[in-house]
Amino acid sequence: QSALTQPRSVSGSPGQSVTISCTGTSSDVGGFDYVSWYQQHPGKAPKLIIYDVDKRPSGVPNRFSGSKSGNTASLTFSGLQAEDEADYYCFSYAGDYSWVSGTGTKVTVL
Amino acid sequence: EVHLVESGGGLVQPGRSLRLSCAASGFTFDDYAMHWVRLAPGKGLEWVSGITWNSGTTGYADSVKGRFTITRDNAKNSLYLQMNSLRVEDMALYYCAKAAHTGSSYFDSWGQGTLVTVSS
Repeated sequence: QSALTQPRSVSGSPGQSVTISCTGTSSDVGGFDYVSWYQQHPGKAPKLIIYDVDKRPSGVPNRFSGSKSGNTASLTFSGLQAEDEADYYCFSYAGDYSWVSGTGTKVTVL
Repeated sequence: EVHLVESGGGLVQPGRSLRLSCAASGFTFDDYAMHWVRLAPGKGLEWVSGITWNSGTTGYADSVKGRFTITRDNAKNSLYLQMNSLRVEDMALYYCAKAAHTGSSYFDSWGQGTLVTVSS
């Protein structure tokens, strides 16, 4: 159970497209279509923004999208907004009723 | 509306024990798997443990396996985490999280967390 690898930080200007990667192994990200993404603002509880790789819960803006290729999942912001400044984490099911999380990425809106 | 309220955190010495609780309301508790996820200072979220709706299956992160035990009491709409042999690296904000539906792999509701401090 090693943590999934995410970039420590990414930044962009308002309106810009930004992508966060989440790299695991064939035992987690690559082995299941069960990657989810969570947004966490400082002092707040995490919020689900993407589940099952590319599905968006109701109420989550469509500027958030998810994808996966091999052992790497990605979260894309299509048109970054000021309120998107937060920490983002990927999670993947890893078999045998266990999950593994990503190292986390701080998104900064310039 | 789903409401998850964690409690039981506090200051504890290394090697001692602590029991966390999560009180659930606003949904049919015994229909859903539940999980514990923690956020350590300066670190990222880490999945700690999960339990199916009927306690038939439990899972643990390698970092806590053999020391932590997850349980639930569906009659009391409550989730628990018994933490034994606590280490400094267990110090974190512990969140209770609800699985989205039976068989789902993601967590659609979270509590506000309870803080565990491990220090001598």
